Amino acid sequence: EAQVTQNPRYLITVTGKKLTVTCSQNMNHEYMSWYRQDPGLGLRQIYYSMNVEVTDKGDVPEGYKVSRKEKRNFPLILESPSPNQTSLYFCASRRSSGTGFSGYTFGSGTRLTVV
Amino acid sequence: GQQLNQSPQSMFIQEGEDVSMNCTSSSIFNTWLWYKQEPGEGPVLLIALYKAGELTSNGRLTAQFGITRKDSFLNISASIPSDVGIYFCAGQSPGTYKYIFGTGTRLKVLA
Repeated sequence: EAQVTQNPRYLITVTGKKLTVTCSQNMNHEYMSWYRQDPGLGLRQIYYSMNVEVTDKGDVPEGYKVSRKEKRNFPLILESPSPNQTSLYFCASRRSSGTGFSGYTFGSGTRLTVV
Repeated sequence: GQQLNQSPQSMFIQEGEDVSMNCTSSSIFNTWLWYKQEPGEGPVLLIALYKAGELTSNGRLTAQFGITRKDSFLNISASIPSDVGIYFCAGQSPGTYKYIFGTGTRLKVLA
């Protein structure tokens, strides 16, 4: 089954304790992205990657890091989490722009609480 | 960052009623997407639109790419309880890979 898999689904952590949210896709998509979803603000892009070793900032990158060493994986790293990073996070992937574009496929989300 | 203006923010309707929602932008888009998010899940693509004026259906859902390329509409006919969720629009600007998402329309259907 074609899917984007995120782990964990739920995470409660303390301020300052480094954490990583993993994301993996099995569709051979070039383009991967991280979003956070907050009430009233919709989905805001954190970082995106156009292919292996190619990443760039989205609209709200502060406090986050990413890496893309393999095509299928795109982990999100919070080096020193703070309470304002409490949110629902989604990883998404799609083919790069061109013919046959199909839109994003999203993971099921990671609900992060930083206390 | 830029965000789309999506309205209404929320809707409470009776089962069987038709639903309309829309997104507007100050700039033109090349592509419009409509997604639905159910509780506890990620958004799922419903309809993709690729050119101005395009009208596309997916079952009881119909979406249109506005002729000015700055807006899009989603209609749901004869709503049923499983239509409950948050509906998001997303647009892609010319010359970019980036998608901008609307703030969502929360739909509740009363049986």
